[in-house]
Amino acid sequence: QQQVKQSPQSLIVQKGGISIINCAYENTAFDYFPWYQQFPGKGPALLIAIRPDVSEKKEGRFTISFNKSAKQFSLHIMDSQPGDSATYFCAASRSGSARQLTFGSGTQLTVLP
Amino acid sequence: KAGVTQTPRYLIKTRGQQVTLSCSPISGHRSVSWYQQTPGQGLQFLFEYFSETQRNKGNFPGRFSGRQFSNSRSEMNVSTLELGDSALYLCASSPEVSSGANVLTFGAGSRLTVL
Repeated sequence: QQQVKQSPQSLIVQKGGISIINCAYENTAFDYFPWYQQFPGKGPALLIAIRPDVSEKKEGRFTISFNKSAKQFSLHIMDSQPGDSATYFCAASRSGSARQLTFGSGTQLTVLP
Repeated sequence: KAGVTQTPRYLIKTRGQQVTLSCSPISGHRSVSWYQQTPGQGLQFLFEYFSETQRNKGNFPGRFSGRQFSNSRSEMNVSTLELGDSALYLCASSPEVSSGANVLTFGAGSRLTVL
């Protein structure tokens, strides 16, 4: 019940296109859903995060859509750029164990110039 | 502001040996968490320390241990190394003291290879 399932495993998008990565969770106790971006040789870096009391959060070109009833959330990257090429991880945690993140398996995004 | 510093960045050990990895959190951050990253299992939570006390522990055998010092620096130790312990070990620090969501700032990791 602790799993977070992420898809697709890899994604290739043309520059200027929209990248969409999906995640689904099982544990209804999860109440914090961050997305992390990781470049080769670096640690993951927080990109954007959402709580289940809102259905969407936007920061620049990055948007999280959240569907509490379906227990799904997704990351949309608008106007994708070659510099966005990285591995993206969704994650989830619950109050009381906020730093104990359960991560998805990751999506390797390649944005073609 | 300096980020999370992990040392060493790379190390090679043989089966049966033990290893100690070090993490210096961002100044002022009192919570340190450790994660293991492997191609097969992905990112998995090891443990979290706050004020020198382990707050949470992931599903790893007792060979994996950690500690935190009064200056918030943390170390993790893996004893009796196995081939499957080869991984990138990531440390993350957080400024918050209360429960609730926090922003984790990760270091670049220590890449351990077990031969």
